[in-house]
Amino acid sequence: KAGVTQTPRYLIKTRGQQVTLSCSPISGHRSVSWYQQTPGQGLQFLFEYFSETQRNKGNFPGRFSGRQFSNSRSEMNVSTLELGDSALYLCASSLGLAGQGVYEQYFGPGTRLTVT
Amino acid sequence: AQSVTQPDIHITVSEGASLELRCNYSYGATPYLFWYVQSPGQGLQLLLKYFSGDTLVQGIKGFEAEFKRSQSSFNLRKPSVHWSDAAEYFCAVGGNTNAGKSTFGDGTTLTVKP
Repeated sequence: KAGVTQTPRYLIKTRGQQVTLSCSPISGHRSVSWYQQTPGQGLQFLFEYFSETQRNKGNFPGRFSGRQFSNSRSEMNVSTLELGDSALYLCASSLGLAGQGVYEQYFGPGTRLTVT
Repeated sequence: AQSVTQPDIHITVSEGASLELRCNYSYGATPYLFWYVQSPGQGLQLLLKYFSGDTLVQGIKGFEAEFKRSQSSFNLRKPSVHWSDAAEYFCAVGGNTNAGKSTFGDGTTLTVKP
């Protein structure tokens, strides 16, 4: 099976712009989670989508949003970019079957976002 | 609230020596525990997981971890380290009530001396 893919791998944006990142999960996985990784804050959970619905949300401002499509592919959007949004954004997929607990998450290679 | 503590920010071991990376967690219900490894510029690779059952779990690349509920610990071990094991290691906790959300420790960077 193909692994989790994320596009683009690298991105440079300017403060105030917006950006959209894409994640394609492993075939058959219905849960997609997003994480932000920075040297100062480590790995922080953004949100998780399951069957096109946001199921969990972390403590990030409303500038961070996401969605999931019927084929389980997910996008996250960051509006009005700030310098502090520079980070590695990781997507993870899992079976995530409702009511059956947490399954292990498989991570993509990440998108490196640099805000200047 | 769930949390994970990895007390060692950086560990250096000689190639061929044994390794133990510490992880302590806090979780209000039955925890699901994971260890991941990340090489520079890469995503996270799952090494092993604990959901229930045998408290000693085997993973890939010769790693194992032991779940100790009384100590709220899930330490990662390897009997003989290889130079290719140099990377950053993350412990994470999740659970049934927060499906799809894992809380990660701050990571331990492993350096392997020749």
